[in-house]
Amino acid sequence: AQSVTQLGSHVSVSEGALVLLRCNYSSSVPPYLFWYVQYPNQGLQLLLKYTSAATLVKGINGFEAEFKKSETSFHLTKPSAHMRDAAEYFCALRGANFGNEKLTFGTGTRLTIIP
Amino acid sequence: DTGVSQDPRHKITKRGQNVTFRCDPISEHNRLYWYRQTLGQGPEFLTYFQNEAQLEKSRLLSDRFSAERPKGSFSTLEIQRTEQGDSAMYLCASSLRGGTGELFFGEGSRLTVL
Repeated sequence: AQSVTQLGSHVSVSEGALVLLRCNYSSSVPPYLFWYVQYPNQGLQLLLKYTSAATLVKGINGFEAEFKKSETSFHLTKPSAHMRDAAEYFCALRGANFGNEKLTFGTGTRLTIIP
Repeated sequence: DTGVSQDPRHKITKRGQNVTFRCDPISEHNRLYWYRQTLGQGPEFLTYFQNEAQLEKSRLLSDRFSAERPKGSFSTLEIQRTEQGDSAMYLCASSLRGGTGELFFGEGSRLTVL
């Protein structure tokens, strides 16, 4: 069984401030982990992914995430928030084993940027 | 390189009617997925295909739902006798077998059942 927990359904930060979105996972096999972003009335766009190589992963738009096995976490960060970062963010995982083909998503975190 | 396309983008229907959504994946992708997303929730897995074979279905996919991918290219998702609880965004995604599981999503088809 596998699951994803995103702490904080809503996060607000000031423009220029640090963004930290939390994701914890549970998986019985080594995971592949993903962060997706969704803008209103649009589909999901991949921000970054962890696939058992480097534990610190850099993605698009200045975002990065660090895989911490001991903490079963994959938190998303960005040093300086921009107004265009306002969106919904989803953490997702799949097992890194053959036959485990679908992504399981968290419930999402809505990021608001305060001017 | 065109992305995943879905049609229609919006559908409003009356309870009890049938609706069908179409998804065209990225051309070289052999896997195709359907997800459902309700307000304030993350996407929930419905079903996926590898080529034309439907390999897994979620328990969310009741008997009123059917998905096909007849030639291993585009897919359709049909909902029969729609209920108000079916109102949601239906997302299609595709991927390459043997990859790292990254899914490429379409923009979704939003269903409103009155």
